[in-house]
Amino acid sequence: GAGVSQSPSNKVTEKGKDVELRCDPISGHTALYWYRQSLGQGLEFLIYFQGNSAPDKSGLPSDRFSAERTGGSVSTLTIQRTQQEDSAVYLCASSLMFGGPQETQYFGPGTRLLVL
Amino acid sequence: LAKTTQPISMDSYEGQEVNITCSHNNIATNDYITWYQQFPSQGPRFIIQGYKTKVTNEVASLFIPADRKSSTLSLPRVSLSDTAVYYCLVGEGTGRRALTFGSGTRLQVQP
Repeated sequence: GAGVSQSPSNKVTEKGKDVELRCDPISGHTALYWYRQSLGQGLEFLIYFQGNSAPDKSGLPSDRFSAERTGGSVSTLTIQRTQQEDSAVYLCASSLMFGGPQETQYFGPGTRLLVL
Repeated sequence: LAKTTQPISMDSYEGQEVNITCSHNNIATNDYITWYQQFPSQGPRFIIQGYKTKVTNEVASLFIPADRKSSTLSLPRVSLSDTAVYYCLVGEGTGRRALTFGSGTRLQVQP
């Protein structure tokens, strides 16, 4: 079946502009996760959703970052007033449920964001 | 959050067995140990998961000692296509404590 998809695959923007990154999880997956990966680094957790609710927003780097999920499916990560340090690959993952001890995450290909 | 420690990098040759050890001294009773593999320009993908003793699948084996304070991912007879970054995660599968990936181990397989 279809995996996790993300769009756009690449985004180049100018400093100060807003960007929206989209994630389409696997159908039926109730949990959705956003990560950020800077060049050559590990994954930095940003936020997760259980259904449409985001119980833990502590991973978001600043108040310029926000995320929402509607209809228990598609999620959008928005970065306002982008800065050069926001340049990274933004990865989305989904799983059947959140907190399942034997669950695993399924990742999308990521969106490569470059802020000039 | 459960903290893991892995070697930053490892080198190997084709056909050799590679063992990557992860330390997780503060693992909790309900925690599982999950390994992911990430190729360049791709998202991570699940390799193997275990709770205790040994788990084997078509890709790898996972060895977990009785105290569960460490685990070893074993890749038999690696090939060039196994060159990737390998991440060890400890937590409730997909729970909050299992979302810390760390820097992983960069495996380079040479011909």
